[in-house]
Amino acid sequence: DTGVSQNPRHKITKRGQNVTFRCDPISEHNRLYWYRQTLGQGPEFLTYFQNEAQLEKSRLLSDRFSAERPKGSFSTLEIQRTEQGDSAMYLCASSLVEGSPLHFGNGTRLTVT
Amino acid sequence: DAKTTQPNSMESNEEEPVHLPCNHSTISGTDYIHWYRQLPSQGPEYVIHGLTSNVNNRMASLAIAEDRKSSTLILHRATLRDAAVYYCIPGTPLVFGKGTRLSVIA
Repeated sequence: DTGVSQNPRHKITKRGQNVTFRCDPISEHNRLYWYRQTLGQGPEFLTYFQNEAQLEKSRLLSDRFSAERPKGSFSTLEIQRTEQGDSAMYLCASSLVEGSPLHFGNGTRLTVT
Repeated sequence: DAKTTQPNSMESNEEEPVHLPCNHSTISGTDYIHWYRQLPSQGPEYVIHGLTSNVNNRMASLAIAEDRKSSTLILHRATLRDAAVYYCIPGTPLVFGKGTRLSVIA
């Protein structure tokens, strides 16, 4: 079991730059989720996919954020024109089917300077 | 989304049982109750989930009230490795609150 893999582990960028994170879920897991977590808070739901279809997006996901899962396998989360408020841990999780437990990666920590 | 209430923090002695409470009075009839925990510098980890009946697995037990408005996660013998933030989450997709920070004292 290779688990959920997220890359990079850390990203430092300047305000206004675009960043992209990658998530490789556990193979054969149909569902893939993105969360954001700031210090002292629980993870905040951003969006999730059933295979390649994006089924739900949180209102936290502004138009600067976009997520894709083109072939129903890995997923990318892009943030355009980053702001300091985007600094957070971005977590990815996958599950086999609806209702089955989520397996989380260890996240990508984004710092916007 | 169902609103949950959990204590901000709890403390336990090592090898003692721990009962972590959660109120979810607005839970819908079909929502499962999920518990996850998050160790420092790691992503959340699944602990247990249930619908109506009490559930047991190798990590913990879950006691669900008959009216489903509350549940209790039971760690039978706390170890230092159980020190984490524990989240109680009704329904999916998972909406995490602030959870309960459990400290375990040797």
